[in-house]
Amino acid sequence: GAVVSQHPSRVICKSGTSVKIECRSLDFQATTMFWYRQFPKQSLMLMATSNEGSKATYEQGVEKDKFLINHASLTLSTLTVTSAHPEDSSFYICSARVPVSQGLHFGNGTRLTVT
Amino acid sequence: AQSVTQLDSQVPVFEEAPVELRCNYSSSVSVYLFWYVQYPNQGLQLLLKYLSGSTLVKGINGFEAEFNKSQTSFHLRKPSVHISDTAEYFCAVSGETSGSRLTFGEGTQLTVNP
Repeated sequence: GAVVSQHPSRVICKSGTSVKIECRSLDFQATTMFWYRQFPKQSLMLMATSNEGSKATYEQGVEKDKFLINHASLTLSTLTVTSAHPEDSSFYICSARVPVSQGLHFGNGTRLTVT
Repeated sequence: AQSVTQLDSQVPVFEEAPVELRCNYSSSVSVYLFWYVQYPNQGLQLLLKYLSGSTLVKGINGFEAEFNKSQTSFHLRKPSVHISDTAEYFCAVSGETSGSRLTFGEGTQLTVNP
């Protein structure tokens, strides 16, 4: 079945640094990927839609200069949290749309802790 | 606009008991409904989805859900739960059959006790 790999699974960084999270579709090409954020004991909030070869579409309230999304190939989308602050600590999850079935598959998430 | 309400944040049950996780939605357009399960520190796995047709939908791991348009509900049920069903369950709605751009409910923590 379709597999989405997300890396790293866990990262700790210092305030002010930048962190890159990768989302890969391992056995299919994903023209569209989605990035979600999940706070502890809360639901997932869609941050942005990542389209291969074009700019990402951000949801209202999400700072595009803070959360940089790059979808340079059909199998890779990256989310870079720039100048991270403790309030950016969260669980970030990506998903990719499988072309034929049009279903969504999710990565295992990245736990970001900013100290 | 679409929204999803999961009426119970936590549901504790004993093993082999039946369980129902409640979900209500609101939308001004046609909706497609989904249930996902999330195990600790992992992504989401699709349990089942309603796109059209029969209102009773069967999914993986013995779960099923019934779409009720008049009550705008999509409750998830399992007749007999296992310890391994302990997880967070999310109801979600989308305006697209692909399930893109999902709007999630707040989640229900199901805890199955021996």
